[in-house]
Amino acid sequence: DGGITQSPKYLFRKEGQNVTLSCEQNLNHDAMYWYRQDPGQGLRLIYYSQIVNDFQKGDIAEGYSVSREKKESFPLTVTSAQKNPTAFYLCASSRSDYSNQPQHFGDGTRLSIL
Amino acid sequence: SQQGEEDPQALSIQEGENATMNCSYKTSINNLQWYRQNSGRGLVHLILIRSNEREKHSGRLRVTLDTSKKSSSLLITASRAADTASYFCATDVISDTGRRALTFGSGTRLQVQP
Repeated sequence: DGGITQSPKYLFRKEGQNVTLSCEQNLNHDAMYWYRQDPGQGLRLIYYSQIVNDFQKGDIAEGYSVSREKKESFPLTVTSAQKNPTAFYLCASSRSDYSNQPQHFGDGTRLSIL
Repeated sequence: SQQGEEDPQALSIQEGENATMNCSYKTSINNLQWYRQNSGRGLVHLILIRSNEREKHSGRLRVTLDTSKKSSSLLITASRAADTASYFCATDVISDTGRRALTFGSGTRLQVQP
């Protein structure tokens, strides 16, 4: 079955540590996205990528970095510069970056501070 | 504040009753999408309605769009306990870079009592 796989499901970060969240899709989608969700809140866009080797900042990119070396993969690194990283992180993909495309989501990674 | 705002924030009904959730937005849109999120999971796309459509159906779901009032509603008929989830509307807005992007509201938490 086609879909999006996020790993790990739970992740703990120590002070000053960078951590990387994995996102892989086998839907052959060009566009991929990273969102942050805080309790009882909607989704906020961190980064998005329209095509391989290209990515753009979203609304809350500070303290995060991404890469898009392969069409299937869009890892997110939460750096030590992100002072409040505790949240639920969701990766999504769509056929194209046009806003009339439904987005397909993974099951998220919950990041906590140790 | 966010482009799309759902109302009510929380809704509790009995199985078999209908559930209605509303979404209001501020700027003109090309389309509006509704998503569902089970607790601790990713979002699942339910339905997309274009700005030139007034109503759309999918199974027990009925979505309406009133562009003059900048609002949409999601109706779930004959609700089931399995419909318990958070429901989000997403609207396409033009970002500072001129790109149209999906913006998610903060959601309606629906509890269906068996």
